[in-house]
Amino acid sequence: DAGVTQSPTHLIKTRGQQVTLRCSPKSGHDTVSWYQQALGQGPQFIFQYYEEEERQRGNFPDRFSGHQFPNYSSELNVNALLLGDSALYLCASSPQTGLAYNEQFFGPGTRLTVL
Amino acid sequence: QKEVEQDPGPLSVPEGAIVSLNCTYSNSAFQYFMWYRQYSRKGPELLMYTYSSGNKEDGRFTAQVDKSSKYISLFIRDSQPSDSATYLCAMSAITNAGKSTFGDGTTLTVKP
Repeated sequence: DAGVTQSPTHLIKTRGQQVTLRCSPKSGHDTVSWYQQALGQGPQFIFQYYEEEERQRGNFPDRFSGHQFPNYSSELNVNALLLGDSALYLCASSPQTGLAYNEQFFGPGTRLTVL
Repeated sequence: QKEVEQDPGPLSVPEGAIVSLNCTYSNSAFQYFMWYRQYSRKGPELLMYTYSSGNKEDGRFTAQVDKSSKYISLFIRDSQPSDSATYLCAMSAITNAGKSTFGDGTTLTVKP
């Protein structure tokens, strides 16, 4: 089992550009969550996808959007990049079994640098 | 003020020491409490989770939750150099179990 995989590993963009990050969940998981982790801070929840729909969203602007595919993989899109978007973007997957806590398995992240 | 506050590090201890890591929170809806370990340039790895109040032990690790004080702790016994990492506390409400709110982490160094 490869666990949660993310691509690319690193990315450098300039202000105003758009970026797409990709995530493949752990085998058997159907729910994908995205987090942003700025340097020296804890991860911040961006949104969660289940059944190809956004189910929960954190306090992030509409510039951040996502998609989930039928095979449960997911993309995070960020438009009009700002310097402050520079961070480690983490994908986490889990099974969806109602309200019970389900362990989230995190990927290694994509490090985005905006110049 | 952040919903989850974590004791700032860095923390440096000798090998074999008992380590205490702590977080406080303000949202009384939090019911799930997690501790993650994050090595440099890696994603967080779940160490332990606890539902509601009480203690939970797993090997050298013990997690404590005091909901009345809105305070959680992680104790590491017989600390090893391999325990050197950043430790993150995280919490979620029962209605949004997949949305975790994290502390900013405490960096621990265990010196041989």
